[in-house]
Amino acid sequence: AQSVTQLGSHVSVSEGALVLLRCNYSSSVPPYLFWYVQYPNQGLQLLLKYTSAATLVKGINGFEAEFKKSETSFHLTKPSAHMSDAAEYFCAVRIIQGAQKLVFGQGTRLTINP
Amino acid sequence: DAMVIQNPRYQVTQFGKPVTLSCSQTLNHNVMYWYQQKSSQAPKLLFHYYDKDFNNEADTPDNFQSRRPNTSFCFLDIRSPGLGDAAMYLCATSRDRWNSYEQYFGPGTRLTVT
Repeated sequence: AQSVTQLGSHVSVSEGALVLLRCNYSSSVPPYLFWYVQYPNQGLQLLLKYTSAATLVKGINGFEAEFKKSETSFHLTKPSAHMSDAAEYFCAVRIIQGAQKLVFGQGTRLTINP
Repeated sequence: DAMVIQNPRYQVTQFGKPVTLSCSQTLNHNVMYWYQQKSSQAPKLLFHYYDKDFNNEADTPDNFQSRRPNTSFCFLDIRSPGLGDAAMYLCATSRDRWNSYEQYFGPGTRLTVT
């Protein structure tokens, strides 16, 4: 079965500091992996996706993620945090059971300190 | 802009009183999904439609039903809401069943059960 595990339910960084949100996956087939962001009382917005092309994926708002097969990881990074990055972040893996579906990690709440 | 719209954004219902949540999309996507998201948890897939083909998740309670009268609209019916059904309900779409990797989410409807 395919799954993702997000390490750390809460991450707090200072404005301007590096953001690192961790995601590890489990999959018996080459995975398709996603990062979504959710602002309070909003739906989910796609940040970036990995679909077996380049292992370093760039997304919106300055975020990027690197697929590392040897580490079964897909960590999300941003060089310099901004106050507007405060949100909940979800890692997800695509599974196909009759139709494609997403299985989400438990989420990481990112807090930015001024 | 093409988008996924959910109405209402906030819904209050009484214990046991049927309620319907609405989702519409202007993306002309074939697949529509309904997720339930409880506080500080990951979204959980309830069911999805591929065109008119309804696909229920195995652990979705019978209390939850869905209708898709046309490509643009999809409804979530909760026949007898319990206190445990209070959650954010997210609608999402994807272009087709196999070749679209991305899901596009609406802003969600927050359901309160009193």
